[in-house]
Parts: sequence; structure tokens; C-alpha cells
Amino acid sequence: DTAVSQTPKYLVTQMGNDKSIKCEQNLGHDTMYWYKQDSKKFLKIMFSYNNKELIINETVPNRFSPKSPDKAHLNLHINSLELGDSAVYFCASSQEGYRGETQYFGPGTRLLVL
Amino acid sequence: AQKVTQAQTEISVVEKEDVTLDCVYETRDTTYYLFWYKQPPSGELVFLIRRNSFDEQNEISGRYSWNFQKSTSSFNFTITASQVVDSAVYFCALSESWSSGNTGKLIFGQGTTLQVKP
Repeated sequence: DTAVSQTPKYLVTQMGNDKSIKCEQNLGHDTMYWYKQDSKKFLKIMFSYNNKELIINETVPNRFSPKSPDKAHLNLHINSLELGDSAVYFCASSQEGYRGETQYFGPGTRLLVL
Repeated sequence: AQKVTQAQTEISVVEKEDVTLDCVYETRDTTYYLFWYKQPPSGELVFLIRRNSFDEQNEISGRYSWNFQKSTSSFNFTITASQVVDSAVYFCALSESWSSGNTGKLIFGQGTTLQVKP
């Protein structure tokens, strides 16, 4: 019974393509996040949504657009993929998000742009 | 500015040794939260512990223990009698409360890769 799930797990695509990563949580949490882990394993926040409202947009190129159809889902759409977008993208969720609640992470999506 | 530093990039120990992973943080806020996550070779991020800034009690969970010292802004993690299955990248992270203008994001350290050899 997966708490935070992401699809796909692996994504290999060509430069210039558009792709989406989906995230779903069944924990009943109000806040969801996207983090990027680069090749050096460094983890950095990209976006967060609280009850479908954008809270964090952390200096991410406009090619990245999050969408939250409901509070259990936060998808990430990437336009015009570039080589530098190759990374592991993690979705996470937490109860509320403003009292340092624990964030639970999905398994990650490994994106390789060729 | 908020910052988390894990000065040890890689640590290698032999099974059954004790090992301590260091974490030093910077924040101007009085209310904040500290975390440790484990990333095994399979790649997922596994939550280990959460501590708030008002609770300086050390915590022990099986072979794992955490030492939180506000005076030195450190939140170190010790694995006693290490095992091969402990081999992973360990991340320390900081989050501030929304009341300070923070947005609840986690600020991660660079990670420490622990290799436990049999």
C-alpha cells in the first residue's frame, strides 16, 4: 500500500521533448512537493502546493509547470527538455507543511535526456 | 540564511564498528525542525527522525542514536555496531516554521555516503 507513488519510475527521452511525471499520495496530506536530485546527489526544492495552491516556486525555469488537480495529486510537466534536466525527481507530501511536519517521499523518477 | 553542512562526503567502516555522521546547521529562527533521511542504493528516501528546536533530548532507536546540541548547531547521527545494510547516503535536513516566513521546504545537506564493509 504505497503512501507516495510516482510514475513513471524511469524516463528516457530526447532533447526538446515534453514530458510529465505524475505523483499521488494516499496519506490524506494537505501539502505536496517536488524536489530535484542532481548527479552529485544534491537535493533541492522545486515546488510545493498546499491544498492545490502553489506555495513554493523556487527559481525553476518556466519550462517546468506543476499542476495539482486535487490535494492528493501533484504532477510535473516539463517542456522542451534540456540535457541539464537529467536528474532524479522526487515527489513528497506532508500533513500541512508549515510546522515542519515530516515529508514522506515517493520512490523517485529517473529522467535521462539524450 | 538557512544552511546545512555535512562535512563528511564519504565514510567507510568495517561491519560492527560504530560510526557518527556529522550535521551542522545555520538558521536565524528560534523555531525549526531537523531531519535525517536515508537513501539506500535502491534510491528511495527513507525518513529516520524529526526533531524540533525545543527538544534537545537525545534519541535512541535500536542501533541508531541522535545527538542534538543547539549550542553548537549540530545534529549528529550515530550508528552503533554498523551492518552492511546500513550502507547508504544519509541526508540531514532543516525546515523552519511558516511563522518565520519560511514555506516548509526542506533544506538538505550534501549527504554523507556510508559504506559498511563485511
